Amino acid sequence: GQSLEQPSEVTAVEGAIVQINCTYQTSGFYGLSWYQQHDGGAPTFLSYNGLDGLEETGRFSSFLSRSDSYGYLLLQELQMKDSASYFCAVSSYGNNRLAFGKGNQVVVIP
Amino acid sequence: NAGVTQTPKFRVLKTGQSMTLLCAQDMNHEYMYWYRQDPGMGLRLIHYSVGEGTTAKGEVPDGYNVSRLKKQNFLLGLESAAPSQTSVYFCASSYQTPGLAREQFFGPGTRLTVL
Repeated sequence: GQSLEQPSEVTAVEGAIVQINCTYQTSGFYGLSWYQQHDGGAPTFLSYNGLDGLEETGRFSSFLSRSDSYGYLLLQELQMKDSASYFCAVSSYGNNRLAFGKGNQVVVIP
Repeated sequence: NAGVTQTPKFRVLKTGQSMTLLCAQDMNHEYMYWYRQDPGMGLRLIHYSVGEGTTAKGEVPDGYNVSRLKKQNFLLGLESAAPSQTSVYFCASSYQTPGLAREQFFGPGTRLTVL
């Protein structure tokens, strides 16, 4: 089966760094994805980790440790537009779908 | 390219009424998905399809039916709406990547209220 845990909310000032953690428990783990969703909007894809280590995309980085069943999303140089919910999602062998965590809301303040 | 579109954007139903939500994608994606999103619950998969003419149950399929008669369209039906089906419904699609679908493209959502 699959289960994902994400803490619920964090508030940070512009320019700061925020780390959003995700622990998962799943059989046949394949990879970990991250999605961003602004209030009232649709989720949009941010990054994917299929192998252990860090993936960097501009101000955002994502990390995966398969041995620890753990990943994180790092948001650097926070901007007001980064205020959103962030979801991790697990993909597994043998099923063509994603299992999403409950999400973590990030509030950026001036 | 419109991407993924959903019709309607908003709807209010009375308990027991039926309706169909339409999802369309113009990216020639094989896979399509229907999710519901409730406060604090994240995205939960209702049904999905891995190709034209195929459908499969997700995490919360009860009370819903789907059809994929054309590759570009994925319909979600509620035969007898209940207040517990009040939610925001998202459709998504993705390429058939080797093994697994990792990046999904989402529609704008349908806000459904059942009274």
